[in-house]
Amino acid sequence: GAVVSQHPSWVICKSGTSVKIECRSLDFQATTMFWYRQFPKQSLMLMATSNEGSKATYEQGVEKDKFLINHASLTLSTLTVTSAHPEDSSFYICSARDNREGHETQYFGPGTRLLVL
Amino acid sequence: QKEVEQDPGPLSVPEGAIVSLNCTYSNSAFQYFMWYRQYSRKGPELLMYTYSSGNKEDGRFTAQVDKSSKYISLFIRDSQPSDSATYLCAMSVVQGAQKLVFGQGTRLTINP
Repeated sequence: GAVVSQHPSWVICKSGTSVKIECRSLDFQATTMFWYRQFPKQSLMLMATSNEGSKATYEQGVEKDKFLINHASLTLSTLTVTSAHPEDSSFYICSARDNREGHETQYFGPGTRLLVL
Repeated sequence: QKEVEQDPGPLSVPEGAIVSLNCTYSNSAFQYFMWYRQYSRKGPELLMYTYSSGNKEDGRFTAQVDKSSKYISLFIRDSQPSDSATYLCAMSVVQGAQKLVFGQGTRLTINP
């Protein structure tokens, strides 16, 4: 199978601090990873597409200076929420694109729950 | 109009029933179709993916795609309480696009 991990699984921080979330593909290489945000009882909202070795592509309305994305290797992408505020509290989920069999599939991490006080 | 429409439910059925979950879409360029299961406070888990019209079966799950009607379905046979979750359909274009477009998700409860 294809396993994607996220760390941390949950984090509580004070307003104004920065939080880094890691997303790793454990048994395959992922040139492309995606970052989503999910509000309670709602579907996933794509925030940005992270490409290894290049700048991330952000969706309309997502502040790139607020949500910094780095994809430094084929198995790791990081999302940093800078100067977090209570409205940034959410469930953040990453996914990694698996092209090994030529299928357009994404495998998701378990998510990171962020609470900003 | 959303690109992908999915009835959010909630849907509640007795254990052992056959469950039918559906999505419709408007973009005829979609070629890959996926179903994800998401338990509360967890990331989505890939259940099925298909790239052609017709049926694909995996255990108790059957995915059906009808491209002419722009309609996909997921059937769950012999439903179990452990199947209680939110089910998300997702789809993407074959070439170039890397984004998945998700349905809203259907909350399913299987009652013992």
